[in-house]
Amino acid sequence: EPEVTQTPSHQVTQMGQEVILRCVPISNHLYFYWYRQILGQKVEFLVSFYNNEISEKSEIFDDQFSVERPDGSNFTLKIRSTKLEDSAMYFCASALDRGAEAFFGQGTRLTVV
Amino acid sequence: GQNIDQPTEMTATEGAIVQINCTYQTSGFNGLFWYQQHAGEAPTFLSYNVLDGLEEKGRFSSFLSRSKGYSYLLLKELQMKDSASYLCAVPSGGYQKVTFGIGTKLQVIP
Repeated sequence: EPEVTQTPSHQVTQMGQEVILRCVPISNHLYFYWYRQILGQKVEFLVSFYNNEISEKSEIFDDQFSVERPDGSNFTLKIRSTKLEDSAMYFCASALDRGAEAFFGQGTRLTVV
Repeated sequence: GQNIDQPTEMTATEGAIVQINCTYQTSGFNGLFWYQQHAGEAPTFLSYNVLDGLEEKGRFSSFLSRSKGYSYLLLKELQMKDSASYLCAVPSGGYQKVTFGIGTKLQVIP
């Protein structure tokens, strides 16, 4: 069964460092998302991406964040200068169509120290 | 914007039926999702309701009332593996931004 894959599964980084979280969405999906979930809190929308551009972003997704689809398969989230409060589980998701169910990857646990 | 309310915790007995409620306020309605999330894992899709009424899918059913801004997830014949958080979520007007509720942590006890 097709699945969304994310790498790495865990990432520890020092405050102020840049991190890139990687995702391979399901191949025929057209809509891509990043969410985050701080431990014990709700899943929060960060950004959606369609047709090679950001279609919507939340207030969390400030200038420190960027997304890219560098080739036909990868979808990345970059955090330029990490802060302690960026520590969270980051989920990538993809969907065939807008409004369709989103398939989530297993997440990258980011710890900023 | 969107606002979603659901109970934070529930406990039910194996073999029983449990109903998890969700109320929402949204500026434009584009359906309502239910996801299941086991601890430490990713959310997995359970259901999507866009019209009023009950949709049944095996042991899980989901109900929607748009006029009341209300949905529930019904789990029948509970199994221990159903212990998880159940997330209610609504997409924005453009469908792109999905707002999740805090999730209802269900504990199934023997």
